[in-house]
Amino acid sequence: SAVISQKPSRDICQRGTSLTIQCQVDSQVTMMFWYRQQPGQSLTLIATANQGSEATYESGFVIDKFPISRPNLTFSTLTVSNMSPEDSSIYLCSVDGAQGYTFGSGTRLTVV
Amino acid sequence: QQQVKQSPQSLIVQKGGISIINCAYENTAFDYFPWYQQFPGKGPALLIAIRPDVSEKKEGRFTISFNKSAKQFSLHIMDSQPGDSATYFCAARNSGNTPLVFGKGTRLSVIA
Repeated sequence: SAVISQKPSRDICQRGTSLTIQCQVDSQVTMMFWYRQQPGQSLTLIATANQGSEATYESGFVIDKFPISRPNLTFSTLTVSNMSPEDSSIYLCSVDGAQGYTFGSGTRLTVV
Repeated sequence: QQQVKQSPQSLIVQKGGISIINCAYENTAFDYFPWYQQFPGKGPALLIAIRPDVSEKKEGRFTISFNKSAKQFSLHIMDSQPGDSATYFCAARNSGNTPLVFGKGTRLSVIA
């Protein structure tokens, strides 16, 4: 199955700043998916990133707050902008590989 | 509207017992039903998955039972072990390269 390297694994950020999360996949994939997992909760889809086109955002998530880049078939970034404590969550990227959907290890973000 | 309903929210099972987690869905376009296991501080890991043309799939101690007419599927963990203590998520996908939608999760505790 596809292996995803996600970084940073965790960060503590000041409110009002931005953090960029990176995901590198060991194989080429068409779609990459970004999820948010709030403490003790399930995974909520933020957006779907297709190489060469604008990301598609789910209801409640907007590009200005969560800009996504997808420069090639193995890499994507998610930026959490103008952060507030409510953005404290785990952020995960995912791909649909040959052996099913795999996930990065997550980025645990704490906003203070 | 939650697309995949998962129960129970938490489960305590004796070591050696059978853990059973249930999920139900409404969207008949779903064509792929995976289960994920997540340990604290880790990303979800694919455990086992099934497609709707199969009623049961077994991998080691893990079995998925699928009832297409009832739009339900369940995970059975046989001979449950303390190392199985984790949060389990069911998920589903529309046909094609689309993102997974997740149930709310079940926190399993296996006690000796």
